[in-house]
Amino acid sequence: AQSVTQLGSHVSVSEGALVLLRCNYSSSVPPYLFWYVQYPNQGLQLLLKYTSAATLVKGINGFEAEFKKSETSFHLTKPSAHMSDAAEYFCALRVEAAGNKLTFGGGTRVLVKP
Amino acid sequence: KAGVTQTPRYLIKTRGQQVTLSCSPISGHRSVSWYQQTPGQGLQFLFEYFSETQRNKGNFPGRFSGRQFSNSRSEMNVSTLELGDSALYLCASSQDSFSGNTIYFGEGSWLTVV
Repeated sequence: AQSVTQLGSHVSVSEGALVLLRCNYSSSVPPYLFWYVQYPNQGLQLLLKYTSAATLVKGINGFEAEFKKSETSFHLTKPSAHMSDAAEYFCALRVEAAGNKLTFGGGTRVLVKP
Repeated sequence: KAGVTQTPRYLIKTRGQQVTLSCSPISGHRSVSWYQQTPGQGLQFLFEYFSETQRNKGNFPGRFSGRQFSNSRSEMNVSTLELGDSALYLCASSQDSFSGNTIYFGEGSWLTVV
């Protein structure tokens, strides 16, 4: 079975500071990994995805993530936080055998302080 | 190109009633998945339909069911509603299940059971 763990349910950052959201996964087969963002009262928007083409993945809104197989991690970063980054972020995993089923982490809510 | 459309956006039902939620995927997408999101349990996979066949199912009781039509539109039904069924129900669509697949989410249907 697969699982995703996001360390820290809440993260507070100052505007202009580095955003780092941690995601670790467990999978017995090669995974495909995703980061989604959810703004209040909205659905999920894809930030970026890892599909084995490159370990460093760049996404929308200045976010990027690095796949590290040895650490079973897929942490999300953004060099400089903006007030509009305040939202909840979800890391998710998919494996070929499970079709389009996504297994999600518990989510990390980001607060950006001015 | 229109995104994933879910209707209704908000609804209130009484315990014991049943509810049907609808999802129209992105044009050309053949896979539709459903997720339940609650504060306590997070995002949980309900089921996936592909070309009118249920391809995958999560760990939910039989009160939760779904179907997909020939035009790829999907419905999910919850019978004998319980208070714990109050949640945001998210629909996601994708073209297929190959590795580079992107999975897109709708805005969700907010269900409140009273």
